[in-house]
Amino acid sequence: GENVEQHPSTLSVQEGDSAVIKCTYSDSASNYFPWYKQELGKGPQLIIDIRSNVGEKKDQRIAVTLNKTAKHFSLHITETQPEDSAVYFCAGGVGTGTYKYIFGTGTRLKVLA
Amino acid sequence: DTAVSQTPKYLVTQMGNDKSIKCEQNLGHDTMYWYKQDSKKFLKIMFSYNNKELIINETVPNRFSPKSPDKAHLNLHINSLELGDSAVYFCASSHGGPNNSPLHFGNGTRLTVT
Repeated sequence: GENVEQHPSTLSVQEGDSAVIKCTYSDSASNYFPWYKQELGKGPQLIIDIRSNVGEKKDQRIAVTLNKTAKHFSLHITETQPEDSAVYFCAGGVGTGTYKYIFGTGTRLKVLA
Repeated sequence: DTAVSQTPKYLVTQMGNDKSIKCEQNLGHDTMYWYKQDSKKFLKIMFSYNNKELIINETVPNRFSPKSPDKAHLNLHINSLELGDSAVYFCASSHGGPNNSPLHFGNGTRLTVT
């Protein structure tokens, strides 16, 4: 079945620096890749997503890149701020006929002021 | 206006008891889910319902029984609670599957079994 691996498990960066979180997936049928941010005591919230027909997507300080051949996708956060500190999850989804989103193991990002 | 709401937020109970968690979404979505998040933050799908019909049951013990009375509600009943059931349970909803829309999560129910 589908498996999504995520690295690193923890990441500390200085405020203003960039942070990169990487994921790999196993099911070549996966065609949808969302990223979620989970703050303490809350549910995961979608921050950006990408579909398999696109190689890169950007939303202000957040960008996601997808390499379908290598089955890799990455989250890039630039100019990090203390409020970016949270746990980030990648996920892979297989569309049409299934309703399964498989999540990565999470990355705890700490932005140091 | 909470999009996906679950109750209770906290649930502390003893081993062997039976408990329920309720979930409601006001997004008009047709698919709802239960996810379990353990102490290491791993998010694992348990169940998925589409239009009140069970779509996914991920080898969850049959002590766990979901019920979807209508598209906007998905409840989770747990019988004979065990210590290992302690976790945060998240309800989520989406419009169709991954082809259509992302998941929207509730804020979780922290279950502690003593």
